[in-house]
Amino acid sequence: DIQMTQSPSSLSASVGDRVTITCRASQSISNYLNWYQQKPGKAPKLLIYAASSLQSGVPSRFSGSGSGTDFTLTISSLQPEDFATYYCQQSYRTPQTFGPGTKVDIK
Amino acid sequence: EVQLVESGGGLVQPGGSLRLSCAASGITFSRYWMHWVRQAPGKGLVWVSHINSDGSNSNYADSVKGRFTISRDNAKNTLYLQMNSLGAEDTALYYCARARIFLAAAGTGYYFDYWGQGTLVTVSS
Repeated sequence: DIQMTQSPSSLSASVGDRVTITCRASQSISNYLNWYQQKPGKAPKLLIYAASSLQSGVPSRFSGSGSGTDFTLTISSLQPEDFATYYCQQSYRTPQTFGPGTKVDIK
Repeated sequence: EVQLVESGGGLVQPGGSLRLSCAASGITFSRYWMHWVRQAPGKGLVWVSHINSDGSNSNYADSVKGRFTISRDNAKNTLYLQMNSLGAEDTALYYCARARIFLAAAGTGYYFDYWGQGTLVTVSS
């Protein structure tokens, strides 16, 4: 199975900060990488697919980059509604696997 | 409006069975592969199973293979997950999700663009 890791596991940030979350795959997955946001008690929400494509309706402050094994999710200016847990997911191989998550909370 | 609504969760004793359902509306259900993803309390997301659009092909995580069976009824716009021989490790919130395909450099990938609200399965004596 392809293992996904994320760093950091948690971070504290302030409104307006630029936030970067890293996701690494245990083998090359090309651009088969998606990012989701999950708030407490809610289902995950798709933010980015194919490593860098912004899902319709998602604010442009979210962006994704990377290919191969290393990927990043960037929030250019953190907003109050962005405090949540973020997961990466690979769809290169079954079983598709998720990263362990990065919790973003208020500093 | 797309809606996926799971049901069928509950408290079950170890070794017991449950059947989860996911009713879809607002989409042409028969066009899409569908997946089950679970999340143990306070933990991360774990893929469980998928089924192709016509129900002829499915796949499972090793942890549930031989115990869980995914199926669908396209006439009823409903996805199912039959869960047998349940253990404490199966305690989780179970989500159904719709898969959309994207063109990737080496073929096609997919992502989950719609999720249900989840149904909670608790395995305990």
